[in-house]
Amino acid sequence: DVQLVESGGALVQPGGSLRLSCAASGFTFSSCAMHWVRQAPGKGLEYVSTITSNGGSTYYANSVKGRFTISRDNSKNTLYLQMGSLRVEDMAVYYCAREMGDGYNYFDYWGQGTLVTVSS
Amino acid sequence: DIQMTQSPSSLSASVADRVTITCRASQSISGYLNWYQQKPGKAPKLLIFGASSLQSGVPSRFSGSGSGTDFTLTISSLQPEDFATYYCQQSYSTSWTFGQGTKVEIK
Repeated sequence: DVQLVESGGALVQPGGSLRLSCAASGFTFSSCAMHWVRQAPGKGLEYVSTITSNGGSTYYANSVKGRFTISRDNSKNTLYLQMGSLRVEDMAVYYCAREMGDGYNYFDYWGQGTLVTVSS
Repeated sequence: DIQMTQSPSSLSASVADRVTITCRASQSISGYLNWYQQKPGKAPKLLIFGASSLQSGVPSRFSGSGSGTDFTLTISSLQPEDFATYYCQQSYSTSWTFGQGTKVEIK
């Protein structure tokens, strides 16, 4: 079975840093583009970042560009999100999601999410 | 970034009702439109991809249509387990943006 398990969420002060991880299993991780999506408390889904299957290309939402870095280790089947200069508005549940499709692409599997709290 | 606008933001409906949710893109996205269902405390679940293709295992009462900038999600006969929040998402650009969500509540 496909599994995505996020970890690393924590309470961090504004201006601080945090690294999230997403451990993947049950599929060929190195063949799939991966994404991070977040959801602030009581709010909707917000796209955060994308990394292609080989890590060669990355994309970011304007709201996190220059502060967050997405990466992956295909030998460890793990996706990462390095978060820096954290703001109160970055507080959210962060989900990793697998991209699938052949043309019309979509997220077919999501992790359970990890909570990032930004507060002094 | 491509902006996605859903309407309504919320609706109240009864079991067996037909429900339609609309999603409009700020520019043409061809058929690169997905729909997700999310229940409280859970990760989203894919319902429809490519504007009208039903994801495996999703009941046939869910359907999607549209192309270009205007899209709809229809639930033909609302069931108790369908009360949830629904999101559209475009996968046309490199940054996949979501609509703000439509909460379907029990009347």
